[in-house]
Amino acid sequence: DAKTTQPNSMESNEEEPVHLPCNHSTISGTDYIHWYRQLPSQGPEYVIHGLTSNVNNRMASLAIAEDRKSSTLILHRATLRDAAVYYCILRDVWNYGGSQGNLIFGKGTKLSVKP
Amino acid sequence: DTGVSQNPRHKITKRGQNVTFRCDPISEHNRLYWYRQTLGQGPEFLTYFQNEAQLEKSRLLSDRFSAERPKGSFSTLEIQRTEQGDSAMYLCASSPRGGENETQYFGPGTRLLVL
Repeated sequence: DAKTTQPNSMESNEEEPVHLPCNHSTISGTDYIHWYRQLPSQGPEYVIHGLTSNVNNRMASLAIAEDRKSSTLILHRATLRDAAVYYCILRDVWNYGGSQGNLIFGKGTKLSVKP
Repeated sequence: DTGVSQNPRHKITKRGQNVTFRCDPISEHNRLYWYRQTLGQGPEFLTYFQNEAQLEKSRLLSDRFSAERPKGSFSTLEIQRTEQGDSAMYLCASSPRGGENETQYFGPGTRLLVL
């Protein structure tokens, strides 16, 4: 399975934008890019996903490089509630990521938000 | 629907004892996943059900671990003869269907401590 590389940690100030990078240089043409986040003492939650085009939803935006070897999760105005570990995950359209659709998590990026 | 629920939320046991965790997925979600998460790591896949059929098991799932989903609704994960290395957060997730756009909905997890 294609792997992703993320910084271990990042800091942000409240109400400022946050750009969380993810490198996936070995991405294949059939890999979707998914982002999940895990708030303290909670299970992970879905944030956003995309294939080639940039995507927006109520939680965040996903910017995908033209060669798809990297992507950036954008939180437009960080709040204290956005402090979490953010995971960038590749999911193969044919094999759904793992053997039967399981998500393959790395260590993610721990985002701290300062008031 | 209130989402995926897991019980108990915390469990402390002595080495050698058996423990059982329960997961109630979102209604009508036919896929159910179990993951394990140790401190500082992302979740790792353990096993997966499509309705009542257990379709995939990770090599992490030793013979001491067994999972069931008897009626295709709730699931149980049992660990026999617990070891200190079993101490972790056990997460359950469900999804309505597979596919590259599948979103998994996670429960809050059961935190196990083996003394």
